[in-house]
Amino acid sequence: GNSVTQMEGPVTLSEEAFLTINCTYTATGYPSLFWYVQYPGEGLQLLLKATKADDKGSNKGFEATYRKETTSFHLEKGSVQVSDSAVYFCALTANFGNEKLTFGTGTRLTIIP
Amino acid sequence: ETGVTQSPTHLIKTRGQQVTLRCSSQSGHNTVSWYQQALGQGPQFIFQYYREEENGRGNFPPRFSGLQFPNYSSELNVNALELDDSALYLCASSLVGGAGELFFGEGSRLTVL
Repeated sequence: GNSVTQMEGPVTLSEEAFLTINCTYTATGYPSLFWYVQYPGEGLQLLLKATKADDKGSNKGFEATYRKETTSFHLEKGSVQVSDSAVYFCALTANFGNEKLTFGTGTRLTIIP
Repeated sequence: ETGVTQSPTHLIKTRGQQVTLRCSSQSGHNTVSWYQQALGQGPQFIFQYYREEENGRGNFPPRFSGLQFPNYSSELNVNALELDDSALYLCASSLVGGAGELFFGEGSRLTVL
């Protein structure tokens, strides 16, 4: 079956540091890959996505590249801010028409001023 | 454009009881999915509804059931509650063919004592 393995947290960084959160996946076929973010007191929201190999998703300064050869979708940001503190979830879906998402366990990120 | 709203936000039940959770989809969305998020874990897919019919189910027993109404609002019902059912229950709406982009509510936190 499909699965997502995510870098364990929590992760604590200083403001303006470089961020990488690792994500690897197992799936049949050609999944679409996502990063969702859960800010304190808010619902999950889509951060970025990539639907085919070598695609790069980007949003709010975050980027992730769909690497089929390494089955990875690592999240990066060059300079984090306090407002980026949240829980980040890597996810995939392999079923068009039935958008069942398979999530990783989440990585809690805390940015210190 | 209204977002996804869920009710109640918090509730406490005892083992063996039944619970109904409600969700109002984002305007224009015809598909609703339910996820269970245990503490410290990623969301787990329960089931999805499209046009009032179940359209995919995760690894949850039959005591988890749902409904989707003509206005695309939805209910999640859980019978014979167990302690392990304590979790955050997330509702997400989407469009069929929306390539995995789900719009989540803030969730209903269920505690089973």
